Amino acid sequence: RKEVEQDPGPFNVPEGATVAFNCTYSNSASQSFFWYRQDCRKEPKLLMSVYSSGNEDGRFTAQLNRASQYISLLIRDSKLSDSATYLCVVNQAGTALIFGKGTTLSVSS
Amino acid sequence: GAVVSQHPSWVICKSGTSVKIECRSLDFQATTMFWYRQFPKQSLMLMATSNEGSKATYEQGVEKDKFLINHASLTLSTLTVTSAHPEDSSFYICSAEDSRSYEQYFGPGTRLTVT
Repeated sequence: RKEVEQDPGPFNVPEGATVAFNCTYSNSASQSFFWYRQDCRKEPKLLMSVYSSGNEDGRFTAQLNRASQYISLLIRDSKLSDSATYLCVVNQAGTALIFGKGTTLSVSS
Repeated sequence: GAVVSQHPSWVICKSGTSVKIECRSLDFQATTMFWYRQFPKQSLMLMATSNEGSKATYEQGVEKDKFLINHASLTLSTLTVTSAHPEDSSFYICSAEDSRSYEQYFGPGTRLTVT
């Protein structure tokens, strides 16, 4: 079983749509959780950290369920510029980040 | 924000040659740096953990004699792909862990093509 699993997509949505991505992780000792965004042929960039209480940053909302080992990302009012691959990432303190394979989002006009 | 640079950003080399990739933390010290590899349509896979002043720790399946890592200072780690082959063609990305905050920052990546 892979450490971090994501639906690879692609998700093709029109501008203005709301889209949700899910992720599960296998290591119950994981302590930190993130969503990264990766554009084609570029390095991944941190989109947001994910907290147990859930957190929101503008149009982006992240949720964490430790009991189910499940992480989600909700994007509201999708923009063309949101087209990218979204990576679910977990780690333990002092260790390397463990990446999911990523979910590809394509927003069209 | 913290900046990590990688050099070169892309390189094309012939099979059998060696290629050195540098990863530098520009405005913070990094006791630990990580080297990842990403093949097309795949996730980033950790290759090794580089610790300043000590030997790197390699992930299972990564040949330490082929991927030489040197972390000689708190701001520089190098990855040398020795005797490169076409199957080594990939996107190599480093991340540096800020020694004070433990946050990790990625370099822009190096695209290696071996012909």
